[in-house]
Amino acid sequence: DAGVIQSPRHEVTEMGQEVTLRCKPISGHNSLFWYRQTMMRGLELLIYFNNNVPIDDSGMPEDRFSAKMPNASFSTLKIQPSEPRDSAVYFCASSILQGMYNEQFFGPGTRLTVL
Amino acid sequence: GESVGLHLPTLSVQEGDNSIINCAYSNSASDYFIWYKQESGKGPQFIIDIRSNMDKRQGQRVTVLLNKTVKHLSLQIAATQPGDSAVYFCAENSKIIFGSGTRLSIRP
Repeated sequence: DAGVIQSPRHEVTEMGQEVTLRCKPISGHNSLFWYRQTMMRGLELLIYFNNNVPIDDSGMPEDRFSAKMPNASFSTLKIQPSEPRDSAVYFCASSILQGMYNEQFFGPGTRLTVL
Repeated sequence: GESVGLHLPTLSVQEGDNSIINCAYSNSASDYFIWYKQESGKGPQFIIDIRSNMDKRQGQRVTVLLNKTVKHLSLQIAATQPGDSAVYFCAENSKIIFGSGTRLSIRP
């Protein structure tokens, strides 16, 4: 199994630029999560989807952040415009929504650096 | 102004000794708990889970104990090895929030 696939693995951009992070969940999984991890704040949940529908986006820091899941096999997290404080590792995870049991499988992450 | 970093609790263990990592959870309605391990440069990985109708569950070299009375979870790692060095998170299903994590370091 390929596991959760994220691209790019590393992104370096300049302040003000648009950044798009991509995620392909494990086939058959119907829940998808976006996390941000920094030394300052640890691992934070940004948003999650069930069956392609956003369920909770209360963790999205600002309107500069948006996430979409157009189909069951693809999701994007977009930051526009990016700022240096957005520098972090962004993880995507997927799981099978079976009642309340939801082990999450994480991708390798995208390390974002905004200069 | 002064910035405050995330101060992870750290556990330093002699190689070969047993490790115990603790976690307190907040919601008494939580009925499923998971321990994740995050190695440097990687995403968190599932280690072991436990349902609230159990007090203990064992895996390979790992044991999770659940005390619902005091809302406390622990992860025990037997015969700790260098490959166990990582940050360990507990998670509860009532809210998809990870604890701040505990860093486990192994002394040779």
